[in-house]
Amino acid sequence: GIQVEQSPPDLILQEGANSTLRCNFSDSVNNLQWFHQNPWGQLINLFYIPSGTKQNGRLSATTVATERYSLLYISSSQTTDSGVYFCAVRMGSQGGSEKLVFGKGTKLTVNP
Amino acid sequence: DAGVTQSPTHLIKTRGQQVTLRCSPKSGHDTVSWYQQALGQGPQFIFQYYEEEERQRGNFPDRFSGHQFPNYSSELNVNALLLGDSALYLCASSRGSYNSPLHFGNGTRLTVT
Repeated sequence: GIQVEQSPPDLILQEGANSTLRCNFSDSVNNLQWFHQNPWGQLINLFYIPSGTKQNGRLSATTVATERYSLLYISSSQTTDSGVYFCAVRMGSQGGSEKLVFGKGTKLTVNP
Repeated sequence: DAGVTQSPTHLIKTRGQQVTLRCSPKSGHDTVSWYQQALGQGPQFIFQYYEEEERQRGNFPDRFSGHQFPNYSSELNVNALLLGDSALYLCASSRGSYNSPLHFGNGTRLTVT
């Protein structure tokens, strides 16, 4: 099945710093989503981005589908950005799988 | 516009018991998927329901079963609970097409003792 690798596994920042999280995947996809899971377990949609670039406030994401990777940028980080960031993909071939396959996540800690 | 709602939020069961978790999809969504998230791991796909039928199933035993109702809400049933079934169970909804994003509920945290 499709493999999803996220890096780095852990990241510690000071408030105000910028960061880049990476997601590599092993096959073509028709759905790629970035999620933020807060300490209470809520899985929050950040971006639906199978290709291209999107921005939402201090967050932006870029997916280069032909090279099978996606990047999540966090600028001017805040303590509320702490949590685990997941990349999840769904295969793009005809008759492809319904399921989202998640990476293992990047645990982000932002210190005041 | 209500998002995906799940109940209950927390549940404690004893090994061997049975449990039912419930999910109401986001307004306008007709497809419901269930995921299991063990501590420190990413969510794992259990199954997906569309038009009241199981459309796809992940690598989970038959002890895990589900149902979708005509109003698109769904239930996840787990029989003969094992200690290893302790996890956060997440429900996600979407529109029927392959290309629509999934929206997740806040989950049900199940503890099996």
